[in-house]
Amino acid sequence: NAGVTQTPKFQVLKTGQSMTLQCAQDMNHNSMYWYRQDPGMGLRLIYYSASEGTTDKGEVPNGYNVSRLNKREFSLRLESAAPSQTSVYFCASSKIYEQYFGPGTRLTVT
Amino acid sequence: GQSLEQPSEVTAVEGAIVQINCTYQTSGFYGLSWYQQHDGGAPTFLSYNALDGLEETGRFSSFLSRSDSYGYLLLQELQMKDSASYFCAVLNSGYSTLTFGKGTMLLVSP
Repeated sequence: NAGVTQTPKFQVLKTGQSMTLQCAQDMNHNSMYWYRQDPGMGLRLIYYSASEGTTDKGEVPNGYNVSRLNKREFSLRLESAAPSQTSVYFCASSKIYEQYFGPGTRLTVT
Repeated sequence: GQSLEQPSEVTAVEGAIVQINCTYQTSGFYGLSWYQQHDGGAPTFLSYNALDGLEETGRFSSFLSRSDSYGYLLLQELQMKDSASYFCAVLNSGYSTLTFGKGTMLLVSP
């Protein structure tokens, strides 16, 4: 039982490049989330998916897109990366009120 | 919208008791959660208060007072491994999303 997995663990992009962050969970949870964490800012919700086939914007969705590929997988795409998107990205899934987080992707945009 | 306030840093010594406070302003929520994060790793769930009062889980307890828009996390018999960041979060309507505070860094010294 791996829980929530994320790839890659680290990534460096140049401004304007695109990339997709992958997330998968094996706990049969309906809801999945993408957060970003910046120093002193806590966790801020980018997008979430309450169930397979649905996605909704969170607090900071600009510059991102998501795809809920199936019940297990929820990807986050940066179409044209900007230095302001340098952050640590966490994926999570939830069972009612308890969220389970992946190990994070550390992204640097130069 | 939702906003949560918690102290940025708290220090304590091994064996002591420490309380991390969280005040919030919300437009409606189901409950208050607490998460622990070590050194930028994956946040992990500690507790959830749906009702007013105290919830105890081993050395950790969490309290909620809806009338005061206030909660706290109480850590007893502090150990060095408790040095981490602690986040309070409100569970928003529909059980779909969490809004996090900016986190409190707890430093435990010998």
